[in-house]
Amino acid sequence: SQQGEEDPQALSIQEGENATMNCSYKTSINNLQWYRQNSGRGLVHLILIRSNEREKHSGRLRVTLDTSKKSSSLLITASRAADTASYFCATDKNTGNQFYFGTGTSLTVIP
Amino acid sequence: GAVVSQHPSRVICKSGTSVKIECRSLDFQATTMFWYRQFPKQSLMLMATSNEGSKATYEQGVEKDKFLINHASLTLSTLTVTSAHPEDSSFYICSARPGANYGYTFGSGTRLTVV
Repeated sequence: SQQGEEDPQALSIQEGENATMNCSYKTSINNLQWYRQNSGRGLVHLILIRSNEREKHSGRLRVTLDTSKKSSSLLITASRAADTASYFCATDKNTGNQFYFGTGTSLTVIP
Repeated sequence: GAVVSQHPSRVICKSGTSVKIECRSLDFQATTMFWYRQFPKQSLMLMATSNEGSKATYEQGVEKDKFLINHASLTLSTLTVTSAHPEDSSFYICSARPGANYGYTFGSGTRLTVV
């Protein structure tokens, strides 16, 4: 990808379980964002974490950022079938405004 | 919240024709907008950065004469796929944000099919 990799590429869990997705990136960043995309649709912004932050919460979402390892994780707790979607991390390099996406994780939550 | 409108949502065109896609920021001004393309089951690839009042900045490997970008106002950027071919069939999506402290808002995307 242009900037980052995500793993796993695909994740299938039972409803109620937690889902963890990881993102690694290549260069220093200003911030990292997570987005969700339902099949064939546009992207929805989930959460933004700045480079000087280590953890952030929003509802059932928990994001961590480790700038020393150039990695981030997205945890979705108590998953629901409606969480089924692709999840992407995206970063903007601290040398410009360009915004690059990771490879994405396809999450399937089985009812 | 910030809203980005993209039009059309779906277009089918014949090989050799040109297609224009519009991206509008509805409730904020955007000096910069970004254009991405996405192939099925793949991530979004940044194509170019659209700059209001100046030339767009293209990513490596993106043909600027093929994908014409115009950002004539603070609320509108257009992407024109010129002389489209079947391999240009893809999902194109734009994004912008009201300021540096905001997340990016994406348009709903345009699915282009070239036949």
